[in-house]
Amino acid sequence: AQKVTQAQTEISVVEKEDVTLDCVYETRDTTYYLFWYKQPPSGELVFLIRRNSFDEQNEISGRYSWNFQKSTSSFNFTITASQVVDSAVYFCALSDYSSASKIIFGSGTRLSIRP
Amino acid sequence: EPEVTQTPSHQVTQMGQEVILRCVPISNHLYFYWYRQILGQKVEFLVSFYNNEISEKSEIFDDQFSVERPDGSNFTLKIRSTKLEDSAMYFCASSSGPGNEQYFGPGTRLTVT
Repeated sequence: AQKVTQAQTEISVVEKEDVTLDCVYETRDTTYYLFWYKQPPSGELVFLIRRNSFDEQNEISGRYSWNFQKSTSSFNFTITASQVVDSAVYFCALSDYSSASKIIFGSGTRLSIRP
Repeated sequence: EPEVTQTPSHQVTQMGQEVILRCVPISNHLYFYWYRQILGQKVEFLVSFYNNEISEKSEIFDDQFSVERPDGSNFTLKIRSTKLEDSAMYFCASSSGPGNEQYFGPGTRLTVT
């Protein structure tokens, strides 16, 4: 069965600090996809990144970076020089490669950035 | 930029009533989904739909739920006889292919009283 674990339920940091959100996943599939979504206070779900299981290259997008390690089944997300606008709930998620391709979400990490 | 839209944004209904939640997926997408999020909890998969039929459904998606793509643009979720525990935010999503990123609509907040 597929499962995503986000052990950090809440994190609070001061603006400009770096913060890492942890994500550990379980799957028996050899082909799968990992995602991060952001849910700001307004409630919508904003897609941030998708990674397939064959691409372990780390990715950087501005202040955001992602570290995918198959050996530890982890897909961690780091925000550098955090800003108040980064305050949101962040969900790590997992999907298989099938016509269903449902996304299995973790329980989310609530990130609060204090000015 | 294309986006998924959902109507209404908020629906209040009495227990036992039928509700229909509407979604317009991104126009060239072929895979459609419904998820729900009970307040403060994680997002849960309800159903996936491809090629005019259900691909997979979760245990939550019982006989009270149904989905339909009545025309080339809309994708609906019907709850026949609502229960208090159906109160949640319902998200529609669409994607262009299996395993591709799913783009979510803004959600419909359903309140059952």
